[in-house]
Amino acid sequence: SQKIEQNSEALNIQEGKTATLTCNYTNYSPAYLQWYRQDPGRGPVFLLLIRENEKEKRKERLKVTFDTTLKQSLFHITASQPADSATYLCALSPSNTGKLIFGQGTTLQVKP
Amino acid sequence: GAVVSQHPSWVICKSGTSVKIECRSLDFQATTMFWYRQFPKQSLMLMATSNEGSKATYEQGVEKDKFLINHASLTLSTLTVTSAHPEDSSFYICSAPAGAGTDTQYFGPGTRLTVL
Repeated sequence: SQKIEQNSEALNIQEGKTATLTCNYTNYSPAYLQWYRQDPGRGPVFLLLIRENEKEKRKERLKVTFDTTLKQSLFHITASQPADSATYLCALSPSNTGKLIFGQGTTLQVKP
Repeated sequence: GAVVSQHPSWVICKSGTSVKIECRSLDFQATTMFWYRQFPKQSLMLMATSNEGSKATYEQGVEKDKFLINHASLTLSTLTVTSAHPEDSSFYICSAPAGAGTDTQYFGPGTRLTVL
């Protein structure tokens, strides 16, 4: 069956450390994978998109990797801040139709 | 930047009534919009694709007669939950593609529906 999975356990880290979140998928062959941030009671906000021919993408303190062999994407936040505390969702588009399938999200808590 | 708005942001209704949720793209046109539902502590689940000028396409397991979608213009899609029941209580979120040549989407702020 098709799955997109994130670590459902909350991730607690100290301010200034690097947070690493994992997204694994099975039985999909996405041309790209996206990461979104969602705060409680709000809609998701787009962060980064990485394509299948890209190994790594960066945006300020954010870095995403995409390994199509392992069927895995890693999302890193360097020099984490309490304001980075939120739920982070990975998403892919089956058949590249624009419809998004989301993982269950990982909640990150950055402690000062 | 582009913004997608939703109205209302929250609504409480009695069981058996119908509720309409609006999704608007504020500074761009969207021939396609998507509707998602999110239950507490769960991820977003795609319900349907709203197509301007044609019928919506629904995901498997979503009742099209219960969740009526109308994409009346290039900037407005509406979702009507008909004969709502407590199990329909959820967070409803719409999204619109950011534009031609891009694969990203803009999401609305969501609508919290509580059915008593």
